[in-house]
Amino acid sequence: DSGVTQTPKHLITATGQRVTLRCSPRSGDLSVYWYQQSLDQGLQFLIQYYNGEERAKGNILERFSAQQFPDLHSELNLSSLELGDSALYFCASSERTGVTGELFFGEGSRLTVL
Amino acid sequence: AQSVAQPEDQVNVAEGNPLTVKCTYSVSGNPYLFWYVQYPNRGLQFLLKYITGDNLVKGSYGFEAEFNKSQTSFHLKKPSALVSDSALYFCAVRDSTGYSSASKIIFGSGTRLSIRP
Repeated sequence: DSGVTQTPKHLITATGQRVTLRCSPRSGDLSVYWYQQSLDQGLQFLIQYYNGEERAKGNILERFSAQQFPDLHSELNLSSLELGDSALYFCASSERTGVTGELFFGEGSRLTVL
Repeated sequence: AQSVAQPEDQVNVAEGNPLTVKCTYSVSGNPYLFWYVQYPNRGLQFLLKYITGDNLVKGSYGFEAEFNKSQTSFHLKKPSALVSDSALYFCAVRDSTGYSSASKIIFGSGTRLSIRP
């Protein structure tokens, strides 16, 4: 158990809908990262938050947004969903110093868009 | 921009034989390098990392990795493979430049390791 909790584990929805994925980092970790894993594109970095502020951005679509709340949990919002958004979405957290520390991953949220 | 490459989609090894999973990287500053393993329907698990110091890094489950600065490589190795090592392996790199709280970790495309009995 990594200590990172993601909900829901599975989600099935229709095209055009909006979903919210939730992540609780390990106790004491200030950094939260979101990654998308799809069959043909490997693990893609989406966005990183540090203590409530956005710090790094990757290949995140404009239809997607995220935030980190004062209690350090984070949410990833996906809207106007398309079939191609079907993927496994991972949240990870890292220790306070962040730079040399490894990431601790949650079990992921599997999104299926029909 | 930083990048990492895993040139092999799949590596097949017989149980008891040594294994190597290859990784090369590109960063503008000094690299921080990581290996992770993913079992089916699970999140990624940290195996080992190179930050500085000895070029040979030892990690979990008997794995080790060798950092080679001149070849910009960080290959994962194990002297004797087990069937239970079969999984998806990811190499990752973080650039040491920039704000410490704003450096992203970039993952390779993954290598599927299959160990046959």
